Amino acid sequence: DAGITQSPRYKITETGRQVTLMCHQTWSHSYMFWYRQDLGHGLRLIYYSAAADITDKGEVPDGYVVSRSKTENFPLTLESATRSQTSVYFCASKRTGVNYGYTFGSGTRLTVV
Amino acid sequence: DAKTTQPPSMDCAEGRAANLPCNHSTISGNEYVYWYRQIHSQGPQYIIHGLKNNETNEMASLIITEDRKSSTLILPHATLRDTAVYYCIVRVAPGFGNEKLTFGTGTRLTIIP
Repeated sequence: DAGITQSPRYKITETGRQVTLMCHQTWSHSYMFWYRQDLGHGLRLIYYSAAADITDKGEVPDGYVVSRSKTENFPLTLESATRSQTSVYFCASKRTGVNYGYTFGSGTRLTVV
Repeated sequence: DAKTTQPPSMDCAEGRAANLPCNHSTISGNEYVYWYRQIHSQGPQYIIHGLKNNETNEMASLIITEDRKSSTLILPHATLRDTAVYYCIVRVAPGFGNEKLTFGTGTRLTIIP
């Protein structure tokens, strides 16, 4: 089915572990984004990508790594998870241009213990 | 991007029109008004956007004042499923390298049965 999917839906990991959150979209949208959402902070941009092999930092990139070897995938890696990274993570994609909005995935709820 | 001001919360009776205001008094001539909403635990959903003319789609209408310093999102016949946080975002026309979206705190709309 066409759309944007995130996996896993829920994840519990231990402090110091590496964890990767997956994001896949089927539209070949140029742009992809990772946001985190915490109570009291709203949605904050972590990283985004304008095309395959082009990525850039957002508002809160520290502690995260992204890659985009293929247009349809945009994984987010926490190299050494910390409790402050406990959050809900949303991936989004967008076609280039003013007439298109973002499409968000269903989110990954990550708990770091 | 221009700053926006929205009421933190609003109630609306089911079946009535929900009118959500947004103030953006510092908006520039090349900045668009976008509306998104986020239903509990889901990713944000694009609703509508406009530059200076009023816009309507299957979800809502967007009324922008002539001086563009404020706008109103109208949900014509609110249902319980419209209960969500609504975000008004003002930003320059997106283009290559400029597709980032910054979310504020929004308006929590509650539809009352």
